[in-house]
Amino acid sequence: DAKTTQPPSMDCAEGRAANLPCNHSTISGNEYVYWYRQIHSQGPQYIIHGLKNNETNEMASLIITEDRKSSTMLLPHATLRDTAVYYCIVRANNAGNMLTFGGGTRLMVKP
Amino acid sequence: SQTIHQWPATLVQPVGSPLSLECTVEGTSNPNLYWYRQAAGRGLQLLFYSVGIGQISSEVPQNLSASRPQDRQFILSSKKLLLSDSGFYLCAWSGLAGGRSYEQYFGPGTRLTVT
Repeated sequence: DAKTTQPPSMDCAEGRAANLPCNHSTISGNEYVYWYRQIHSQGPQYIIHGLKNNETNEMASLIITEDRKSSTMLLPHATLRDTAVYYCIVRANNAGNMLTFGGGTRLMVKP
Repeated sequence: SQTIHQWPATLVQPVGSPLSLECTVEGTSNPNLYWYRQAAGRGLQLLFYSVGIGQISSEVPQNLSASRPQDRQFILSSKKLLLSDSGFYLCAWSGLAGGRSYEQYFGPGTRLTVT
């Protein structure tokens, strides 16, 4: 699986949009971009994933560049409960479906 | 709906003692199952995964082992714990029954402290 690069930490004001970037310049054509988050002392939580089109669900939006070498996950109205480590992962959908977690971005939402 | 259970939630064990952590999934069949470990302040490390009963793949050589005696049961074991085995152990499942294929859903985790 391709590796990803994320900033180690970011701050966001409560109620504002949080835009979390991810670089995946070596992504392959069959690899999806997945986002998970981990709130302190809990298991990771799936947020969103996409292949090349932008995606939106009840939690977030995913914007993937046309060349697929980077993406941004957007939380439209961040709350204090969104404080967590956010992981960007690229992975092909195969039989094992394994995830390789990197360091992630620690998002701190401040009042 | 699907749920995943892990127990115990916390565990304190002396060095050299055995370990058995259990994970069960409800509401789905033929799931892929995974064991991850997260050391303090670190990212998640995949330890084992299983695509079916009795089928275990190990990602990292270590003194841990995994077994899948039933379709929705995944067990992590050790005969003799090391201090370095301390960490947060997470079980996860993936499959088509969740409505969105291939995502992994994680359990609440077991926090293991080896003393």
